[in-house]
Amino acid sequence: GAGVSQTPSNKVTEKGKYVELRCDPISGHTALYWYRQSLGQGPEFLIYFQGTGAADDSGLPNDRFFAVRPEGSVSTLKIQRTERGDSAVYLCASSEMLNSPLHFGNGTRLTVT
Amino acid sequence: AQSVSQHNHHVILSEAASLELGCNYSYGGTVNLFWYVQYPGQHLQLLLKYFSGDPLVKGIKGFEAEFIKSKFSFNLRKPSVQWSDTAEYFCAVTSNSGGYQKVTFGTGTKLQVIP
Repeated sequence: GAGVSQTPSNKVTEKGKYVELRCDPISGHTALYWYRQSLGQGPEFLIYFQGTGAADDSGLPNDRFFAVRPEGSVSTLKIQRTERGDSAVYLCASSEMLNSPLHFGNGTRLTVT
Repeated sequence: AQSVSQHNHHVILSEAASLELGCNYSYGGTVNLFWYVQYPGQHLQLLLKYFSGDPLVKGIKGFEAEFIKSKFSFNLRKPSVQWSDTAEYFCAVTSNSGGYQKVTFGTGTKLQVIP
């Protein structure tokens, strides 16, 4: 079946603008994760959803970052007042159940100019 | 808090050479261990995993890893690498805290295999 889909694949925005990044997980996967990967680094945890609720948002860097998953499927990561330091690849992953491996999307490369 | 260390940031090997990539983790409880691989232009994908049982686990494409609890290590090995193994490799650890798995990744090792 289809894998995890992330759109857009690339996003260039100006400093101070608002952006939304979308993740469409594998059908039936209840767990959804957002990670951020900067150059030369491993994926850094941002937020985890179990169903519709954010079970752990401890990785969100500050209150400019917010994520939702209103129907327990598609998730949107929202970044307000973007800063150049937000430039990174934002990865989404889903998993079927506890201890199942993560299935990653191709990521959204965000560039803030 | 859990953490993962990968000491080799960039490894260059000739085809047919043997590979060992180091991974050490820090966590006091029960962990699950993974290696993920990212081929050029592709998404991260699972290479192999350890949950319990035999500490020597085998994954896809001839890769294996050994969990040594006393050393907090989970090193990745392959006896003979191929050019197609050129990729970035990430070690990851999960712990079952709060009823879900929190996955922590290492910084990755870029492997370049020269034909």
